[in-house]
Amino acid sequence: GAVVSQHPSRVICKSGTSVKIECRSLDFQATTMFWYRQFPKKSLMLMATSNEGSKATYEQGVEKDKFLINHASLTLSTLTVTSAHPEDSSFYICSAIRTGHQPQHFGDGTRLSIL
Amino acid sequence: GESVGLHLPTLSVQEGDNSIINCAYSNSASDYFIWYKQESGKGPQFIIDIRSNMDKRQGQRVTVLLNKTVKHLSLQIAATQPGDSAVYFCAEIRTSYDKVIFGPGTSLSVIP
Repeated sequence: GAVVSQHPSRVICKSGTSVKIECRSLDFQATTMFWYRQFPKKSLMLMATSNEGSKATYEQGVEKDKFLINHASLTLSTLTVTSAHPEDSSFYICSAIRTGHQPQHFGDGTRLSIL
Repeated sequence: GESVGLHLPTLSVQEGDNSIINCAYSNSASDYFIWYKQESGKGPQFIIDIRSNMDKRQGQRVTVLLNKTVKHLSLQIAATQPGDSAVYFCAEIRTSYDKVIFGPGTSLSVIP
């Protein structure tokens, strides 16, 4: 089945650091990738939709300058949390699809902890 | 922001019993629905899906029911096992947009 790999699985870093998270589709070409944020015991909140070769579409309330998304190839999207602060600590999850081919397949998430 | 006192709904079931998890969806234009299972520290895992032209679909030990009149979705798990303990999310999709809207989730706890 379709496999999405997310790396790293866990990051602990100091406040002010920028952190990059990678999302790769391993066995299919992902024309669209999605980035979610999940707080403890809460549902997944869509942050942005990333289409290969074009700018990401951000959901209302998500700062595009804080959460930089790049989808440079059909198998890789990256999320960079710039100048991270403790309030950015969260579980970040990516998913990928070929456009029009649901369901989405999810990575195993990245636990980001900012000290 | 988060309201004090709001927690993830929890369902406790005895091992071997059947589980029913319910979900109300929001958009009458949604035409595709998915149930996902999320174990602690992992991403959501696809369980079963159903399109809006159906009202029931069965998988291995799982059944999804769709009632479009009241915008309600349910997941039935037969002979629940300890490995079924997880958080279950319903998701609605308007296929022309590909965007997935997740429900709030239900935590299923299986008592051995």
